[in-house]
Amino acid sequence: DAKTTQPTSMDCAEGRAANLPCNHSTISGNEYVYWYRQIHSQGPQYIIHGLKNNETNEMASLIITEDRKSSTLILPHATLRDTAVYYCIVRVANSGGSNYKLTFGKGTLLTVNP
Amino acid sequence: NAGVTQTPKFQVLKTGQSMTLQCAQDMNHEYMSWYRQDPGMGLRLIHYSVGAGITDQGEVPNGYNVSRSTTEDFPLRLLSAAPSQTSVYFCASSYEAGGEKLFFGSGTQLSVL
Repeated sequence: DAKTTQPTSMDCAEGRAANLPCNHSTISGNEYVYWYRQIHSQGPQYIIHGLKNNETNEMASLIITEDRKSSTLILPHATLRDTAVYYCIVRVANSGGSNYKLTFGKGTLLTVNP
Repeated sequence: NAGVTQTPKFQVLKTGQSMTLQCAQDMNHEYMSWYRQDPGMGLRLIHYSVGAGITDQGEVPNGYNVSRSTTEDFPLRLLSAAPSQTSVYFCASSYEAGGEKLFFGSGTQLSVL
């Protein structure tokens, strides 16, 4: 799986958009970008994933650059409950063999301030 | 639906003791897995299962055993606990192996003295 690079921490004001960047310059053509988050003392929670098109769901939007070497997770109106560690993960989806695991790095600690 | 349920939430063991961490899911997911999370280390895969009767090792399997006799349950056994196994343990499941959306339990915090 391709390696990802994320900032260690970010701050955001409540009600504003939070834009979390992720670099994955060695991504392969069949690898998806996944985002999970982990609120303190809880298990990770799936947010969104995409291949090359931008994606949006009820939680967030995912913007992937045309060359797919980086992406941005956008929380449009951050709340205090969005304070968490956000993980950007790159892996092949729906593959057999040994590609069952998600490799979680250290992620970005997003702190939403009142 | 309860989702993924882990018990116990907290556990303290003495070195050499054995115990089983329980994990159950009610979503009829084929794939289940166990991770451990240590400070500064991210989540590391211990064991996983792609269906009842099938298990395999992840990155850090030593000291842990698993079995999958039913689709719903995937217990993790520590046969002889060691202080190095002090960690937070998460169970996760998804509809199918390689599926994009993993559902995680709330974790078990284990301390081995």
